[in-house]
Amino acid sequence: DAGITQSPRHKVTETGTPVTLRCHQTENHRYMYWYRQDPGHGLRLIHYSYGVKDTDKGEVSDGYSVSRSKTEDFLLTLESATSSQTSVYFCAISGDQGETQYFGPGTRLLVL
Amino acid sequence: GNSVTQMEGPVTLSEEAFLTINCTYTATGYPSLFWYVQYPGEGLQLLLKATKADDKGSNKGFEATYRKETTSFHLEKGSVQVSDSAVYFCALSRDSQGNLIFGKGTKLSVKP
Repeated sequence: DAGITQSPRHKVTETGTPVTLRCHQTENHRYMYWYRQDPGHGLRLIHYSYGVKDTDKGEVSDGYSVSRSKTEDFLLTLESATSSQTSVYFCAISGDQGETQYFGPGTRLLVL
Repeated sequence: GNSVTQMEGPVTLSEEAFLTINCTYTATGYPSLFWYVQYPGEGLQLLLKATKADDKGSNKGFEATYRKETTSFHLEKGSVQVSDSAVYFCALSRDSQGNLIFGKGTKLSVKP
């Protein structure tokens, strides 16, 4: 299994609070991704990174920011959480863009 | 742009039944095609892939053939087991940013 961990695995927070999710990899892969998964929508790309300090927006980036200061860590921040951001968040990595992605176990976030 | 469409679920089968999950795509060029599987409470895992026309990907008894003439990559298994119950995602490369495009997923339930 690809060495990808996500933390926390579960989080309950209140509307308006900031939340940061962490993805950590031990594979030295260049590309890292954040997705959210919701019933009826499948997987939707939030942001991705193609190197340290190099990030770009995905399909549903509004309300989210990311940072990548080290190859192994990719952080997803909800600046002010809203109930619509209740979801399961997955991190993924790949050695090259458009090629096989390897997924973390997911973080289940509930915004009350 | 590139896109992928997979059959709506859920699909319910009895153990040892034959499985087909349809996936069709539109693409320019020669994308790679993937099937991912997500077991309950877990992240997505690569099930199989094909990188060029007429390639057959196979794994764990599942097969899919890259058909350029019908722009399809249907997933098949001759005899499903209860342990195959999961959500299956078809994916292809690439979108306008170069990333994978995922279908919405098909939930499979196998009854004993």
